[in-house]
Amino acid sequence: AQSVTQPDIHITVSEGASLELRCNYSYGATPYLFWYVQSPGQGLQLLLKYFSGDTLVQGIKGFEAEFKRSQSSFNLRKPSVHWSDAAEYFCAVGDSNYQLIWGAGTKLIIKP
Amino acid sequence: NAGVMQNPRHLVRRRGQEARLRCSPMKGHSHVYWYRQLPEEGLKFMVYLQKENIIDESGMPKERFSAEFPKEGPSILRIQQVVRGDSAAYFCASGPGNNEKLFFGSGTQLSVL
Repeated sequence: AQSVTQPDIHITVSEGASLELRCNYSYGATPYLFWYVQSPGQGLQLLLKYFSGDTLVQGIKGFEAEFKRSQSSFNLRKPSVHWSDAAEYFCAVGDSNYQLIWGAGTKLIIKP
Repeated sequence: NAGVMQNPRHLVRRRGQEARLRCSPMKGHSHVYWYRQLPEEGLKFMVYLQKENIIDESGMPKERFSAEFPKEGPSILRIQQVVRGDSAAYFCASGPGNNEKLFFGSGTQLSVL
């Protein structure tokens, strides 16, 4: 069955520390891969996406993600988080831009 | 340029009532998508519409749910005879064309008492 797993429901990180949010998927073929962010009271915003090519993808706000086919993973990273990064992060996979399988989200909490 | 606007932000209905959720896409966008998020779950695709046409409704429940995107005005997601299991966050997204980047609204939280 197709699925996306974000194993961490909450993650707490100190401001300035590095961040890695995990995403594992189960899908028939290599899908399109997305990370979205939802800040409080806001809509979901696309951070980055992977369709093909270089497996290290750069996104907005200093985020990057690495596609690892052998591990069926697409983890999101940021070298140094800012308080404004506190939000909920969603990983999604699919074969179009809208028919996606979504993870349940990871809430990022930033400690001052 | 306003983003995708959804209203109301919160909607409370009693079992058996009708719920109408509205979505105004970003200016210039003619493609609208509806998703539902149940508690502790990821978003689930419901329906994809273009102006006056339903393109893909493979995620819509067969009964009680309908969606439209008229020539003028917002897209409407309509749920008739709501049940407690319909309680969820409903998100709308819009895009300028097929396979283009999606822009999401901040959602409508539906609570069924």
